[in-house]
Amino acid sequence: DQQVKQNSPSLSVQEGRISILNCDYTNSMFDYFLWYKKYPAEGPTFLISISSIKDKNEDGRFTVFLNKSAKHLSLHIVPSQPGDSAVYFCAATANNNAGNMLTFGGGTRLMVKP
Amino acid sequence: DTGVSQDPRHKITKRGQNVTFRCDPISEHNRLYWYRQTLGQGPEFLTYFQNEAQLEKSRLLSDRFSAERPKGSFSTLEIQRTEQGDSAMYLCASSFAQPSSGNTIYFGEGSWLTVV
Repeated sequence: DQQVKQNSPSLSVQEGRISILNCDYTNSMFDYFLWYKKYPAEGPTFLISISSIKDKNEDGRFTVFLNKSAKHLSLHIVPSQPGDSAVYFCAATANNNAGNMLTFGGGTRLMVKP
Repeated sequence: DTGVSQDPRHKITKRGQNVTFRCDPISEHNRLYWYRQTLGQGPEFLTYFQNEAQLEKSRLLSDRFSAERPKGSFSTLEIQRTEQGDSAMYLCASSFAQPSSGNTIYFGEGSWLTVV
């Protein structure tokens, strides 16, 4: 049972435009969500996170939106830059005994074209 | 460099051999995690330590896998009698506390294992 899903394996965007990466989850116990960026042959790098008590968190060009009723979150990158080209993973965790682990989606490969 | 450090970065081994990976977490972090990532998939949780205590193990961690964190600092992940299905990137991560606002899990660059 895949509890975190990223249904788009890839996304191509023109430089300067908005990139929107989506993530759906099924476990209603999840209360903290993170986005990681990963380049080939490197480990994931933390990008931005959001707690379930919020519906939006912004950090520079990156904004994460959380829709708890739909169990959906999205990452917006504005404006997109070629250096943003990477695989993006969303991850979720729950604030209970199992909260020590992150459950990841399968990733979305973003390609930003110059 | 004060990030999470993993060694070796790459390992090619013959099926049936044992391999060991080492992880040095961020120094003030008392929590250490091991994840595994295969091509086209997201990282999957393997096990977690708080200080030297191993508190959680995934069902993915078969009896051929053993992880230790003897002094609550660095950790080792050993795979015995490797199989081709063990080929993956093994990621170590650390955090100061339970993941929440302000307490993020930071990953190392990973150790690639190829079993031939």
